[in-house]
Amino acid sequence: EVQLLESGGGLVQPGGSLRLSCAVYGVTFSSYAMSWVRQAPGKGLEWVSAISNSGGATYYADSGKGRFTISRDNSKNTVWLQMNSLRAEDTAVFYCAKGMTTVPWSAFDIWGQGTMVTVSS
Amino acid sequence: QSVLTQPPSASGTPGQRVTISCSGSSSNIGSNTVNWYQQLPGTAPKLLIYSNNQRPSGIPDRFSGSKSGTSASLAISGLQSDDEADYYCAIWDDSLNGPGVFGGGTKLTVL
Repeated sequence: EVQLLESGGGLVQPGGSLRLSCAVYGVTFSSYAMSWVRQAPGKGLEWVSAISNSGGATYYADSGKGRFTISRDNSKNTVWLQMNSLRAEDTAVFYCAKGMTTVPWSAFDIWGQGTMVTVSS
Repeated sequence: QSVLTQPPSASGTPGQRVTISCSGSSSNIGSNTVNWYQQLPGTAPKLLIYSNNQRPSGIPDRFSGSKSGTSASLAISGLQSDDEADYYCAIWDDSLNGPGVFGGGTKLTVL
């Protein structure tokens, strides 16, 4: 069974940083692109960032460009989202999602349970 | 404001067929395939339809997707109470700086 387990969420002050992790089990991690998707309380889904299977290509939503960095280590079956200069509007549940293929534009067929990020003083 | 437009709500009675629309443009739906996700209350999203009309393993054939021009639709036949959820269309839009896009979501109520 494929499983995605996110961690690293929590309460952080505006301007602070957090690093989210997503450990992937039950699949050949290096064969799939990965993405992060967030959902603010009571709001819809928002795509945040994606990375190709090799890590050679990364993509960001405008909302996180310059502040967020996605990375992966295929030897550790883990993808990360480093978030700096956090703002109140970044408060959301962050989901890790596995792509169906190597490329970031493939559908997200497996999702993690989500990790809550709260940005507040 | 998403580049993909969905109706905020939809409803139907058990057994009925309902459709949810997703309207875009030539740079997104007109050029790429559409995926649909179901999010039951309090849970993570689940892939329902990929590549316009393909169902992942385990998704019943009551769910179907279609695309025409710059619009896509999700149809649910034989509506069940368990289908009450939020539904999102999604696409990759190369014309945007941030290319991954979700529609605003449609809340489906089973009356």
